[in-house]
Amino acid sequence: QLQLQESGPGLVKPSETLSLTCSVSGGSISSSDYYWGWVRQPPGKGLDWIGSISYSGNTYYNPSLKSRVTISADTSKNQFSLKLSSVTAADTATYYCARPIRGQAFDIWGQGTMVTVS
Amino acid sequence: QVILTQSPSASASLGASVKLTCTLSSGHSNYAIAWHQQQPEKGPRYLMMLNSDGSHSRGDGIPDRFSGSSSGAERYLTISSLQSEDEADYYCQTWGTGIQVFGGGTKLTVL
Repeated sequence: QLQLQESGPGLVKPSETLSLTCSVSGGSISSSDYYWGWVRQPPGKGLDWIGSISYSGNTYYNPSLKSRVTISADTSKNQFSLKLSSVTAADTATYYCARPIRGQAFDIWGQGTMVTVS
Repeated sequence: QVILTQSPSASASLGASVKLTCTLSSGHSNYAIAWHQQQPEKGPRYLMMLNSDGSHSRGDGIPDRFSGSSSGAERYLTISSLQSEDEADYYCQTWGTGIQVFGGGTKLTVL
């Protein structure tokens, strides 16, 4: 059964770069038709899509974050990563990695990791 | 760009049924969506994918108390035989070419 697990620092200083990794178990991230994505949720607020990467390495970003976001994949480690630069307090949120099946519905979610910018 | 609109809150009694609505913005009435549940202090859980014709496919382990239906630009999630653990936030989600969109969520209170 496919499982996702986020990891990374829980505290990031303003203006620095937030870096998170999602480890995938139970399946290969390079499998055809698989996409992988990041979603965040500020405290007390709703879900916000950050971006996604396809099995072939194509990336797609939320236009509101595009200038600051980079999503990449490391097939040798079966992981994909998120980098968000120039963070501010507004980037404080729980960050989830998730699989949008065929780039559509997010059908598998990680447990999430809280990141505070302070 | 597609926008999803949800009512902020809903309530229903234990054992009853409730129907939550997600409305697609103009020009996007043929879009499929997904429904997700987020219980308090937990991460989201995928419930189902719902097509414009009302056909839907539930995620693994999702009971058939959860069902979906569609009418025009409206997408519905019906929860029957409400249980206390159904008290949660419910989000709809859709997608386009290279983009994902979430609705603002509906907080369901089970009375």
